[in-house]
Amino acid sequence: EVQLVETGGGLIQPGGSLRLSCAASGFTVSSSYMSWVRQAPGKGLEWVSIIYAGDSTSYADSVKGRFTISRDSSKNTLYLQMNSLRAEDTAVYYCAKETKSQYYYYMDVWGKGTTVTVSS
Amino acid sequence: EIVLTQSPATLSLSPGERATLSCRASQSVSTYLAWYQQKPGQAPRLLIYDASTRATGIPARFSGSGSGTDFTLTISSLEPEDFAIYYCQQRSNWPSRTFGQGTKVEIK
Repeated sequence: EVQLVETGGGLIQPGGSLRLSCAASGFTVSSSYMSWVRQAPGKGLEWVSIIYAGDSTSYADSVKGRFTISRDSSKNTLYLQMNSLRAEDTAVYYCAKETKSQYYYYMDVWGKGTTVTVSS
Repeated sequence: EIVLTQSPATLSLSPGERATLSCRASQSVSTYLAWYQQKPGQAPRLLIYDASTRATGIPARFSGSGSGTDFTLTISSLEPEDFAIYYCQQRSNWPSRTFGQGTKVEIK
């Protein structure tokens, strides 16, 4: 069964750092397109970052320069290193696997999410 | 950057009724559009991709249509479990992705 499990969320002070993990089973993270998506309390979905072919990466403008996406093939795990955290980073963070259709990539497998709260 | 605008923000309907949700892109996205369903406390679930193809296990009452800038998600006859929030999603500038702001389908 294809599954994603996020861990690493918690309460952190503004300016602090946190690393989220997303453990995968049933497929290989290192050969997949993988995204992080977040959802602030009561708000919609916001795409955060993607890692794809050749470990290329991309970020939303709101996190660029502060967040780093990476993956470890030996652990079959995706990561999101979050630095210089702000109150507006408070959200549930989901990891998602992307699968290519005939034309494009879509997020077809999602984890249950991990909650990050940035507050003093 | 491509912006996705969903309407209406909230749709109040009764079970058995037909739901029609709209997603409009600020510029053409061809058929590179997906729809996701999210229930309270749950992760999103992929419903439709490539504008009109149902994902695995999605009931036939869900259908998607459109191309270019105007897209529609239709639920032919609402079941109790269909009351949720629906998001459209597209890439903006490759490889970034963009979501619409969501449409909530609530029980009337």
